[in-house]
Amino acid sequence: SSELTQDPAVSVALGQTVRITCQGDSLRSYYASWYQQKPGQAPVLVIYGKNNRPSGIPDRFSGSSSGNTASLTITGAQAEDEADYYCNSRDSSGNHNVVFGGGTKLTVL
Amino acid sequence: QVQLVQSGAEVKKPGSSVKVSCKASGGTFSSYTISWVRQAPGQGLEWMGRIIPILGIANYAQKFQGRVTITADKSTSTAYMELSSLRSEDTAVYYCARVHRGNYYDSTITLWGQGTLVTVSS
Repeated sequence: SSELTQDPAVSVALGQTVRITCQGDSLRSYYASWYQQKPGQAPVLVIYGKNNRPSGIPDRFSGSSSGNTASLTITGAQAEDEADYYCNSRDSSGNHNVVFGGGTKLTVL
Repeated sequence: QVQLVQSGAEVKKPGSSVKVSCKASGGTFSSYTISWVRQAPGQGLEWMGRIIPILGIANYAQKFQGRVTITADKSTSTAYMELSSLRSEDTAVYYCARVHRGNYYDSTITLWGQGTLVTVSS
């Protein structure tokens, strides 16, 4: 399968923990990467591989994976974390393609 | 600091073609795969294809096969994405993006261009 499924919207109270999930068959073979996108801006990589953060990404962002589901967890969500979050991975059908999830709009209350 | 600088916004007629450029400043251009990703207004991200400059290999998403051509000029550290037979549904922001070093076919994008808005309208 070449699809990644995300919940369209998730909300979290300021300072609380939120998990954003991404489901797809390709995640049984490949790690997901996670991107944060704020309005009018290009996406920014926040998590990749098993649980790697690029330089400059706060350690409140973490990633995990189990079976066909990858998760992005924000521990102690901040107002500035309000954004769209996208997962992606390689397609497991053998065509070297890349797939993106539909995105999750995170609202920090 | 490495940057990907894309060409400016375009307005095109249905049925025409558009060619967007992406110039890498700093770093080693040929060592990294460049992917192209588009985002229609209010929609999600959509992978279109990639170019592996050091190998001269391009791969395309099935949806765009036959309509998209991705190339790279190593001498100028510039990648190009040309999309033909444009229709209104192709109106979107087109991003070039540098892939994580390690595997040419990796999906992890570590650096994005600023995006180029292509508007298709009669």
